[in-house]
Amino acid sequence: EADIYQTPRYLVIGTGKKITLECSQTMGHDKMYWYQQDPGMELHLIHYSYGVNSTEKGDLSSESTVSRIRTEHFPLTLESARPSHTSQYLCASSEGNEKLFFGSGTQLSVL
Amino acid sequence: KNQVEQSPQSLIILEGKNCTLQCNYTVSPFSNLRWYKQDTGRGPVSLTIMTFSENTKSNGRYTATLDADTKQSSLHITASQLSDSASYICVVSDRGSTLGRLYFGRGTQLTVWP
Repeated sequence: EADIYQTPRYLVIGTGKKITLECSQTMGHDKMYWYQQDPGMELHLIHYSYGVNSTEKGDLSSESTVSRIRTEHFPLTLESARPSHTSQYLCASSEGNEKLFFGSGTQLSVL
Repeated sequence: KNQVEQSPQSLIILEGKNCTLQCNYTVSPFSNLRWYKQDTGRGPVSLTIMTFSENTKSNGRYTATLDADTKQSSLHITASQLSDSASYICVVSDRGSTLGRLYFGRGTQLTVWP
C-alpha cells in the first residue's frame, strides 16, 4: 500500500567507506524522515525534512547527512562508515500530522 | 520526561486466541496515539490513530482503546492468526510543534503458534 521505497535492502561494507542510502516516495508528501532502529529498541529520529531544501537533525545525534533537492527523494549519506553505524535505517513520509508511511528499511552492517 | 512504556515485552499465544497489548505514556501535551505493526525486517505499518476525544477504534481484528485520563492505551487482537506474529509499536504525538514530535515505545513482540 505504501509508495515509499528504500534501497538497498541490505548493505555490508568495510570501515571508512562512503555510502548513500536511497529513499523515494511517490505520494507527494512534504514531510520525510530518517529513523534508526536497533533490535528490540525504539525508533530514533535522526533527520527530518519539511520540504524541498529543508533538512533538520533529529533527536539522536548522527554523523550522517541528508539532502532534499526534490520532494520525492530524501537520501542519507555516511561519509566514512564505522562499525558503530551498524543498524537498521528506516525512511518515512507523511502529509501534515497524519500517519507515517515507512519504507522497508536498509539493514546496514559495517565490518 | 516524556516516555512511552509497553507491556509485555514479548508474548506467545496459540493461533485463534485473543490477546491484549498495553501502552502507558507520560507524553504531554497529548495530540494522538498510534499503533503500528512491524514485521521482522520490514518498516512499521499503521494500524490505528486515536485523538484525545476518541476512546476506541477498530481495524479488522485489531481494536485499540485509549484512556486519556489515565494515559493508557491497549491493542486487542481477536482470533489471532499466524500472520499476526510481529512487533506492535505504540507511538504518541505531542502538540509541542507543528511537526508533532513522536515518542516511540520499544514494542511488544507477539508470536502466534499453530
